[in-house]
Amino acid sequence: ETGVTQTPRHLVMGMTNKKSLKCEQHLGHNAMYWYKQSAKKPLELMFVYNFKEQTENNSVPSRFSPECPNSSHLFLHLHTLQPEDSALYLCASSQEDSYYGYTFGSGTRLTVV
Amino acid sequence: KNEVEQSPQNLTAQEGEFITINCSYSVGISALHWLQQHPGGGIVSLFMLSSGKKKHGRLIATINIQEKHSSLHITASHPRDSAVYICAVSRSYNTDKLIFGTGTRLQVFP
Repeated sequence: ETGVTQTPRHLVMGMTNKKSLKCEQHLGHNAMYWYKQSAKKPLELMFVYNFKEQTENNSVPSRFSPECPNSSHLFLHLHTLQPEDSALYLCASSQEDSYYGYTFGSGTRLTVV
Repeated sequence: KNEVEQSPQNLTAQEGEFITINCSYSVGISALHWLQQHPGGGIVSLFMLSSGKKKHGRLIATINIQEKHSSLHITASHPRDSAVYICAVSRSYNTDKLIFGTGTRLQVFP
């Protein structure tokens, strides 16, 4: 375990479903991120939260909705997804001026059918 | 053209070989990160560096800011080093989005 926990590890959902991905860290980090990794493509940033405030939305479609209720928890709410949204979704956290850089979760492998 | 380029894309090696993975970037950065991703998908941060050289066990990372280039070296490679190694850069020190390379897939055979 890296200190960043993502659940579920795997998720299969239909295009009309609503589901949520959860990320939790108790490392005392003040920034949390959602990244998407599609096959054969570099990781793409989706959202950044700094001190619970969203500081970046990287042109992500509205069918992805993030929520950061506190600095330890981050959610990604999913609704009416498309098959091309199937990917590995990774959560990460970081602390400014930390020697250790970013800490990533193990990811949620999402399949949209 | 990607802002972060890695080479090679794929690399195979025999156990014990010395391995080098290269990363070049075209933007101004505050830090460069080397990450390791195993087949299950989880990513581990190996190094974050902004100058010089860092060493951890059999892994060594170097960066040349003037040339905008970094290398990751693995000495005495082992099959358990098989993974995808990803170079990423950030423009502020740590709390900023990372720009990723496409990764180098390394396979080390016994």
